[in-house]
Amino acid sequence: GENVEQHPSTLSVQEGDSAVIKCTYSDSASNYFPWYKQELGKRPQLIIDIRSNVGEKKDQRIAVTLNKTAKHFSLHITETQPEDSAVYFCAASQPDRGSTLGRLYFGRGTQLTVWP
Amino acid sequence: ETGVTQTPRHLVMGMTNKKSLKCEQHLGHNAMYWYKQSAKKPLELMFVYNFKEQTENNSVPSRFSPECPNSSHLFLHLHTLQPEDSALYLCASSQTGSWGSYEQYFGPGTRLTVT
Repeated sequence: GENVEQHPSTLSVQEGDSAVIKCTYSDSASNYFPWYKQELGKRPQLIIDIRSNVGEKKDQRIAVTLNKTAKHFSLHITETQPEDSAVYFCAASQPDRGSTLGRLYFGRGTQLTVWP
Repeated sequence: ETGVTQTPRHLVMGMTNKKSLKCEQHLGHNAMYWYKQSAKKPLELMFVYNFKEQTENNSVPSRFSPECPNSSHLFLHLHTLQPEDSALYLCASSQTGSWGSYEQYFGPGTRLTVT
């Protein structure tokens, strides 16, 4: 099956700086790559996603880039704020593979801390 | 209520008890999932249901038994659990098709403590 690696596991930045989290995947058939943010004590929530037919997607301070050749994708957060502090998970998913349909393969998460 | 709901939100049970977790989605999705989230561990997929049919059992011990009576409801029946089963149990739903998957929406989770 798919294997998603995520780095770093912890990241500390000063408010206003940029943060970058990187993920790699193993299965070239993967075509959907969401990023989830989980604040302490809350449920994971989608913050941005990208499909394999797009190389980059941006939503205000958040952007995701995808390199299909290298099989890696990254989350970029600019002008970080203390409320960006949370655990961020990347994931990969594939088109119909029978029993794996709909499954998201998650990375291990990155604890981002933004210091004021 | 909208989105994905889970009950109870907190559960403390002894190792000999039997309890059930409930999940309900109000989004019209066709797929539902159970995840286990332990402290400082990644999200662990337990079960996947597509159109009420279980399509994946991710090597989960038999003391966890899922049930999906329809596309909107998902249960996780628990019996003779171990202390290491204490964790946050998250339910999620999504729309799937031959193109793959869209966003998974998560419920708030059930915080389970096994004593």
